[in-house]
Amino acid sequence: NAGVTQTPKFRVLKTGQSMTLLCAQDMNHEYMYWYRQDPGMGLRLIHYSVGEGTTAKGEVPDGYNVSRLKKQNFLLGLESAAPSQTSVYFCASSFRPGTGVGTEAFFGQGTRLTVV
Amino acid sequence: AQSVTQLGSHVSVSEGALVLLRCNYSSSVPPYLFWYVQYPNQGLQLLLKYTTGATLVKGINGFEAEFKKSETSFHLTKPSAHMSDAAEYFCAVSKNTGGFKTIFGAGTRLFVKA
Repeated sequence: NAGVTQTPKFRVLKTGQSMTLLCAQDMNHEYMYWYRQDPGMGLRLIHYSVGEGTTAKGEVPDGYNVSRLKKQNFLLGLESAAPSQTSVYFCASSFRPGTGVGTEAFFGQGTRLTVV
Repeated sequence: AQSVTQLGSHVSVSEGALVLLRCNYSSSVPPYLFWYVQYPNQGLQLLLKYTTGATLVKGINGFEAEFKKSETSFHLTKPSAHMSDAAEYFCAVSKNTGGFKTIFGAGTRLFVKA
């Protein structure tokens, strides 16, 4: 199994440009998440999804949009990139709690985004 | 709202010494608790987790953690540090209310000296 795969791994954007980060998981997980990681701040939840066709805001949703058209994919969009969005972005997925399986999140390898 | 506090952004130990990484959480209901490890330029991987049952949880690579409800703590320990343990460690909490969201602490970077 590939687990959680993120593309691209690196990207440099100019201020105002747009881009989409793709996350794909092959573990049949219901829940998917997008986090950003900044030095000294841990991981902060941007948006998450509890199932196909559903999305919800996390701690730091401003400036980002997401879509979950297929169960295995979770897209993160930046409509107009800003230098403050320079970060490492992680996608994660997990089973739904109460299903009798583990509730931990499985992470992708990250996307390092620089906005200049 | 739930939150996670990791005491010490950096911890340095000698090889063979005890590793103790501290984590306290705030949660109005019994939470799920996790420790993850992140090696340079990699994603996070699960070390161990507490969901229900035994409060002393054993994980991979010789790590363990104890859930203490009265202290709202979930400290991570390893009896003898190895050079390969040098990494960043994250404590996380989640609960199944209002959507199952996992909240992470700020992380503790562990340095191991030869």
